[in-house]
Amino acid sequence: KAGVTQTPRYLIKTRGQQVTLSCSPISGHRSVSWYQQTPGQGLQFLFEYFSETQRNKGNFPGRFSGRQFSNSRSEMNVSTLELGDSALYLCASSFEQNTEAFFGQGTRLTVV
Amino acid sequence: QKEVEQNSGPLSVPEGAIASLNCTYSDRGSQSFFWYRQYSGKSPELIMSIYSNGDKEDGRFTAQLNKASQYVSLLIRDSQPSDSATYLCAVNSPLAARQLTFGSGTQLTVLP
Repeated sequence: KAGVTQTPRYLIKTRGQQVTLSCSPISGHRSVSWYQQTPGQGLQFLFEYFSETQRNKGNFPGRFSGRQFSNSRSEMNVSTLELGDSALYLCASSFEQNTEAFFGQGTRLTVV
Repeated sequence: QKEVEQNSGPLSVPEGAIASLNCTYSDRGSQSFFWYRQYSGKSPELIMSIYSNGDKEDGRFTAQLNKASQYVSLLIRDSQPSDSATYLCAVNSPLAARQLTFGSGTQLTVLP
């Protein structure tokens, strides 16, 4: 089975721009969660989508948004980028409630 | 008080020794507990999940859960240099099962 695939792997953007990251979950997994990892804050939950619906949202500003498609692929968008948005963005997929979450390789975003 | 706390380390053990990693969590309603391994520059990799009180063994890894004490641990027997990584403890939210809260991680170094 193919793992979780995230694209692109690396991105460099300028302050004020917006960015879209993509995640394809493991086949059969309908839950996709997004996390931000920074050296200072560690791994923090952004949001979770299940069957095309946002189920949970972490404590991030509205500039961070996402969506999920009928094939369970998900995208997250960050608008009006700030320097502090530089981080590793990780997508995790799960089969159903209370089961393991498997992470993709991540997208390393650098905002300059 | 942080929701998930880990001994931050760094922790160094000689090759062949037992490495002991500890984690405490604050929310008594949490039901799912996970250990992830993260090599430098890579994404987290799930190595153990545990849901019931007691021990769960998988190869050289043993996870221990004590819900009454709100304590989770990971033991790595016969530690190898390839085990050198950051180990992340993750706990699910009782109100949002697929939302994981991570500890800050324990950096483990196994000395040859």
